[in-house]
Amino acid sequence: DTGVSQDPRHKITKRGQNVTFRCDPISEHNRLYWYRQTLGQGPEFLTYFQNEAQLEKSRLLSDRFSAERPKGSFSTLEIQRTEQGDSAMYLCASSSSVNNLAKNIQYFGAGTRLSVL
Amino acid sequence: GESVGLHLPTLSVQEGDNSIINCAYSNSASDYFIWYKQESGKGPQFIIDIRSNMDKRQGQRVTVLLNKTVKHLSLQIAATQPGDSAVYFCAENSGGSNYKLTFGKGTLLTVNP
Repeated sequence: DTGVSQDPRHKITKRGQNVTFRCDPISEHNRLYWYRQTLGQGPEFLTYFQNEAQLEKSRLLSDRFSAERPKGSFSTLEIQRTEQGDSAMYLCASSSSVNNLAKNIQYFGAGTRLSVL
Repeated sequence: GESVGLHLPTLSVQEGDNSIINCAYSNSASDYFIWYKQESGKGPQFIIDIRSNMDKRQGQRVTVLLNKTVKHLSLQIAATQPGDSAVYFCAENSGGSNYKLTFGKGTLLTVNP
């Protein structure tokens, strides 16, 4: 499978615990994005990487959230001291800047569904 | 501020009919638009995109129309099939260097056999 891969698919945790999600983008894609999606809503942008550089963070990304892409390939999203309001689907997407004709077609993974009890 | 919205939250059609899903956007600086299909338990799947210098773009059974005058986007699906049942989102990119997408709320399309 050469698509965007996310792990785990589901995560149940207790309030106050830390969780970490992983995203493996399409191999040749240099751009990687994290979005959050709650039930009945469209995805909301969280953060964006070009290679290993984190170029933008949304106001939604509080101090409890941190994302990394250390080698410009896979990325991790960590949530510290989880709250019930963090329950959502966390989606990762990737795109390539190489082909200008395919500007910003972001390909999404299946997401990690987080439930905070 | 920026917003992307949908006129109809649900749409029910008969198999074989054509479907039209509408979307309004408010950011006149947006220069790129994408339609995604999302099935239950899956991530959004790219359907078709269009740049702001175009009015129409066609794919396989799908057509996207862009009316910049009224800031309106539509997705037309020809000969709708049961497998087309899903939530459809329009998304816009307002330019700049971050390429982030702003999504609308989504329209649930149900295709009745």
